Amino acid sequence: DSGVTQTPKHLITATGQRVTLRCSPRSGDLSVYWYQQSLDQGLQFLIQYYNGEERAKGNILERFSAQQFPDLHSELNLSSLELGDSALYFCASSIGQRNTEAFFGQGTRLTVV
Amino acid sequence: GENVEQHPSTLSVQEGDSAVIKCTYSDSASNYFPWYKQELGKGPQLIIDIRSNVGEKKDQRIAVTLNKTAKHFSLHITETQPEDSAVYFCAASKLTGGGNKLTFGTGTQLKVEL
Repeated sequence: DSGVTQTPKHLITATGQRVTLRCSPRSGDLSVYWYQQSLDQGLQFLIQYYNGEERAKGNILERFSAQQFPDLHSELNLSSLELGDSALYFCASSIGQRNTEAFFGQGTRLTVV
Repeated sequence: GENVEQHPSTLSVQEGDSAVIKCTYSDSASNYFPWYKQELGKGPQLIIDIRSNVGEKKDQRIAVTLNKTAKHFSLHITETQPEDSAVYFCAASKLTGGGNKLTFGTGTQLKVEL
């Protein structure tokens, strides 16, 4: 168990809908990262927050947004969902904001139908 | 941006043999190289990492080597066991305005056969 908690584990929703994925980092970690894992794209970095502020951004779609709250948990919001958004979404956390070990949660499997 | 290539995509070894997975990266500014193991239905688990100021690092049966000049790094697993069967990912990152963005390789499916 990495200590990173993601909810829900599974999510099935229809195209055009909006969902929110939640992540609680390991105790003491200030950085939260979001990654998308799909068969055709592999593991892709989406975004990083450190102590509530955005620190790094990957190829995150404009339909996707994230935030980190004062208690350090993070939410990833996905809107106007398309079939191609079906994937595993992982949250990871680390103590520092750069070049420190990142620990991954178990992921949320999103299926868009 | 950074590009990480990983080979082979699948690797089958006999129990007790060694396994080697190789990765190359494109951005010479990358300075942190972790390796992750992902078992079916689970998230990636960090197994070892190396920073650019070090050429080799070992942890029991696992070792990683880094060649900065050639921009490649490798994972070595000795005395493989069935529980080593999983998908292994290499990754690379560099400082980006205070952030940390891991670029992953495409993964290697390792199968350890009895």
